[in-house]
Amino acid sequence: DIQMTQPPSTLSASVGDRVTITCRASQSINTWLAWYQQKPGKAPELLIYMASSLQSGVPSRFSGSGSGTEFTLTISSLQPDDFATYFCQQYDSPPFTFGQGTKLEI
Amino acid sequence: QVQLVQSGAEVKKPGASVRVSCKASGYTFTGYYIHWVRQAPGQGLEWMGWINPKSGGTNYAQKFQGRVAMTRDTSISSAYMELSRLGSDDTAIYFCARQSSGYFYPYWGLGTLVTVSS
Repeated sequence: DIQMTQPPSTLSASVGDRVTITCRASQSINTWLAWYQQKPGKAPELLIYMASSLQSGVPSRFSGSGSGTEFTLTISSLQPDDFATYFCQQYDSPPFTFGQGTKLEI
Repeated sequence: QVQLVQSGAEVKKPGASVRVSCKASGYTFTGYYIHWVRQAPGQGLEWMGWINPKSGGTNYAQKFQGRVAMTRDTSISSAYMELSRLGSDDTAIYFCARQSSGYFYPYWGLGTLVTVSS
């Protein structure tokens, strides 16, 4: 199985900050990577797919980059609504594993 | 608009089985795979498998092989996930999700809480 690692598990930031969240795959997954945002008690919401493609309706302050084994999700200017947990997911080969999540907090 | 409506919360005893349903609307049900993902309390997301609603074909994560069954009823645009021999570590929210052109998920159900307790 492909292991997805997201260090750190918690990240502290402030409104207006530029934030980068990392995700590493245990083997190359090309660009078969998605990013999700999840708030407490809610289902995850798709932000980015194919490592860098912005899902329709997602604010342009979110962007993704990377290929192979190293990926990043960047929020250019944090808004109050962005404090949540972020998960990466590889969909190169089943089982389609997720990272353990990075909780973005104030 | 695409909607996935899941069945309500369940409480089960250890060793029992649970069946969660996921009713789809707003698109052609047979056009996209449905995946099941679970999340234990305070934990991350765990992929369980998929079902192809058109053919009924499935692909299960090795961890759940022999214990999970994903089925569908195309006449009512519904997918089902049945998990047997439940243990306390199966307590989780179970989500159905519809994939897009790739195996990522723009559409999710609200989740079904399954609690396993004696």
